[in-house]
This record gives sequence, structure tokens and C-alpha cells, in this order.
Amino acid sequence: NAGVMQNPRHLVRRRGQEARLRCSPMKGHSHVYWYRQLPEEGLKFMVYLQKENIIDESGMPKERFSAEFPKEGPSILRIQQVVRGDSAAYFCASSPIPLTDTGELFFGEGSRLTVL
Amino acid sequence: AQSVTQLDSQVPVFEEAPVELRCNYSSSVSVYLFWYVQYPNQGLQLLLKYLSGSTLVESINGFEAEFNKSQTSFHLRKPSVHISDTAEYFCAVSSYNTDKLIFGTGTRLQVFP
Repeated sequence: NAGVMQNPRHLVRRRGQEARLRCSPMKGHSHVYWYRQLPEEGLKFMVYLQKENIIDESGMPKERFSAEFPKEGPSILRIQQVVRGDSAAYFCASSPIPLTDTGELFFGEGSRLTVL
Repeated sequence: AQSVTQLDSQVPVFEEAPVELRCNYSSSVSVYLFWYVQYPNQGLQLLLKYLSGSTLVESINGFEAEFNKSQTSFHLRKPSVHISDTAEYFCAVSSYNTDKLIFGTGTRLQVFP
């Protein structure tokens, strides 16, 4: 039973390029969360999605960042025109039911973005 | 709004010594509390959780945490640590009326031989 799969594990981009991070949730999980971990900091919530819907994007920067979770395929976190401050580890997590019912998330191993 | 405070950013300890990693939370409603562990270059793994019921919860590898409502704390303890326990430990909080898990800044446990 595969866990949450994220790819790429490591991504290097130059300033101004686009970064696309993909997340396949665990089988049967329709709730997906994206978190960002900056060096020496904890995890910061970015966005919560269900299939085809953005439920809570209160943690997403207003510009350059977007997320989707289409009916078919993985969830995508897209960062346009990357800057050095976007360098971080981006973690995806999933759950089978809303967080309000159990509070437990299952995490992927993360995608580490480095902006040169 | 909820928040989590982990006052200790690093905790060095010798092997076989006891350890306590502190976690305090703030919330106006009943909470769910979690400890996650992150080994180097890996994702987070759930260590233990408190949802309701007994205030003392245990993990399979010897860690335990006690929910203390009056002190708004959920400290993590282990009576005797191993080298393999070296990792980053994150305390987190959520509740029945929130759609996100709020994390503390983490505590790096370093176990020395």
C-alpha cells in the first residue's frame, strides 16, 4: 500500500523559472494538504484541497503560487517566476476524511526546491 | 486561532538518559494533539496522538506524552533514549472546527553515545 508520493524529490531552478511539484495521495485519500518548511523553521500550512476544489488557501502567497487537485492525476503545486526565498522543502500530506474528524495527516517525503 | 510553542530548538542528551521535549498550545476550543518525527531528508511520521479519552498516550518505540489541559501542555518523554532517536520532533494541534494542522517550530533531539 503505497504512501504519499511526491516528485521530484529535488528540483533546482534559476530565478524567474517555474517550479511544478507533484503529489499523489495515498489510495482512497481525497483530501490533500501542502506545507512549506523553510530552513530552521517548522512547517507552515499553505493550502488544502479536495478533488477539483480548493478548500482553504489562507497560507498561500498571494502571487506566483497556485495549486490544483484535478479529478484525475496528482495534485500540483506551481510556483511561477521563482525567487531565492522560495527555496524550501515542500511537503504534501493526505487524509481519507476531513481533518476535523481525526486530525491525522499522512506525509510524503517532500520536494526540496533550490533556487539559484 | 490556534498556536503551538516548542521552546527548545535543540536538546542534546546522552544515550540511555531520559528526555523531555516540551510543547505548549493555545486554543479556545477542545484540541487534538500530535507529535510527529522527521528523520534527516525524510517526511514526517506520526509518533503519537491525543484525540480524547486517556490523557497519557504512548508510541510503539517507548515515547509517551501526557495531555495536561490546565497547563495547556503536551510534553513528549522517553525514559531512555537511543542513538536512533536522533531526529527533529514536531508538536502539532488541530481541532473539530479547523481544517488544518498547526505545527510548532520543532525540537532537534541529538543523542550522543
